[in-house]
Amino acid sequence: AQKVTQAQTEISVVEKEDVTLDCVYETRDTTYYLFWYKQPPSGELVFLIRRNSFDEQNEISGRYSWNFQKSTSSFNFTITASQVVDSAVYFCALSEANNAGNMLTFGGGTRLMVKP
Amino acid sequence: EAQVTQNPRYLITVTGKKLTVTCSQNMNHEYMSWYRQDPGLGLRQIYYSMNVEVTDKGDVPEGYKVSRKEKRNFPLILESPSPNQTSLYFCASSRKDRGFTEAFFGQGTRLTVV
Repeated sequence: AQKVTQAQTEISVVEKEDVTLDCVYETRDTTYYLFWYKQPPSGELVFLIRRNSFDEQNEISGRYSWNFQKSTSSFNFTITASQVVDSAVYFCALSEANNAGNMLTFGGGTRLMVKP
Repeated sequence: EAQVTQNPRYLITVTGKKLTVTCSQNMNHEYMSWYRQDPGLGLRQIYYSMNVEVTDKGDVPEGYKVSRKEKRNFPLILESPSPNQTSLYFCASSRKDRGFTEAFFGQGTRLTVV
C-alpha cells in the first residue's frame, strides 16, 4: 500500500530564511508519480510540481527547488529566501501508475508560517 | 478558463438531512474524484470515476454516494449526513493519460453537520 509521511506538522521561519519541507513515501510500484501542492489560507489547492519515478533530476523554479532521491524514498521541497506570501499548508502526494482512478495519496501536510 | 467548480462553498446542515455537493469541470477530463480533508490526515479519496457511468470506491466511501451521468459533472451525495462527515471536501479532475497528469481541484466545500 502506498503511504506518504510529512513528519513536520508546523514550521515557523522568519522572512528571508531558507526552509526545507520533508516528504518520505512508501510504494511497491516501480512506476509512480510524486506531487507537491500548496494550500494558502484561502483554501484552494495549487499544483506546484509533478515528478515521475524515472526522473531523479532535481528541479528549480525561482525560489522553489525539489530534491528527489529514490534511494531514501524522499521528495523534499526547499523554499529559498522565504516570503510572507509563502505561508500556507504544503502537501506532498503520491500516485502509483497501476492504481485505478489516478488516486492521490496525500501526506498530512506541513503548515509553514513565515513571519516578517 | 479551465476550472473545476464546486457548489456550495460553505454548507451547514443538520444530522440526517440529505444533501448534494455539485462538481463540474470544463476540461473534458475522463477522471474525476472526491476527497475529504481533515486536520493531520491530509486529503483522502472518497470516490472516483474513470468515465461516464463508471464509479468506484476510494479509501473512505462510507456514508457517501456519487453518480456520473455526464462527463462534466460528478455530484457527491450524503443521504443521511452525520457529524463525523464535517470536513472540507474537494472535487478533482484529471486526464486519462499514459503518464499520470496532475489533478485540478475545485475550490473546496466546507461542510458542517450539527
